[in-house]
Amino acid sequence: NAGVTQTPKFRVLKTGQSMTLLCAQDMNHEYMYWYRQDPGMGLRLIHYSVGEGTTAKGEVPDGYNVSRLKKQNFLLGLESAAPSQTSVYFCASTTPGVSTEAFFGQGTRLTVV
Amino acid sequence: ILNVEQSPQSLHVQEGDSTNFTCSFPSSNFYALHWYRWETAKSPEALFVMTLNGDEKKKGRISATLNTKEGYSYLYIKGSQPEDSATYLCALREGGKLIFGQGTELSVKP
Repeated sequence: NAGVTQTPKFRVLKTGQSMTLLCAQDMNHEYMYWYRQDPGMGLRLIHYSVGEGTTAKGEVPDGYNVSRLKKQNFLLGLESAAPSQTSVYFCASTTPGVSTEAFFGQGTRLTVV
Repeated sequence: ILNVEQSPQSLHVQEGDSTNFTCSFPSSNFYALHWYRWETAKSPEALFVMTLNGDEKKKGRISATLNTKEGYSYLYIKGSQPEDSATYLCALREGGKLIFGQGTELSVKP
């Protein structure tokens, strides 16, 4: 069972470069999320999607864009990376069901120099 | 923006101690409250999903309670073991959003 898979696992970017993080889930989940994890701040929601073709802003959306063209994939883009975007990024997915837990990918460690 | 608060931020206990953490959240528009366990270098894993006021859930030595009217949930660990060392996260589900607190980092010394 693959579950939630994030690509890549590690990346180093130079300031101003762009990149896309891919999250893929094979559980047929409608809801998908992108979070960033910084020391002492838990997980902060960047963007989320409640279905194919729909996205919405979370708590810290600035500097990021997302797309959900296929139900199983949720892409997170950084158009012009900044050192403040150095973080560990987690993707998660779940269903609309009220009692359903979220399942997480293994994380992507991004460093912007 | 939903405000989910956890306390304490960190906790250091001895093996065998029992401990508890608090998660506070806005009581309006409640949908579900999640608890996750997050070990270093791993991904968060769900412990409980709680939906009803007065819910009590238990898994081994870990249990949780929920009060949606006053907006809080408690997580209890009975007889802490070194393998319980982790960050414990709560999250509030409101519609499609899932908003996390900042976590409680638990360290259990042998």
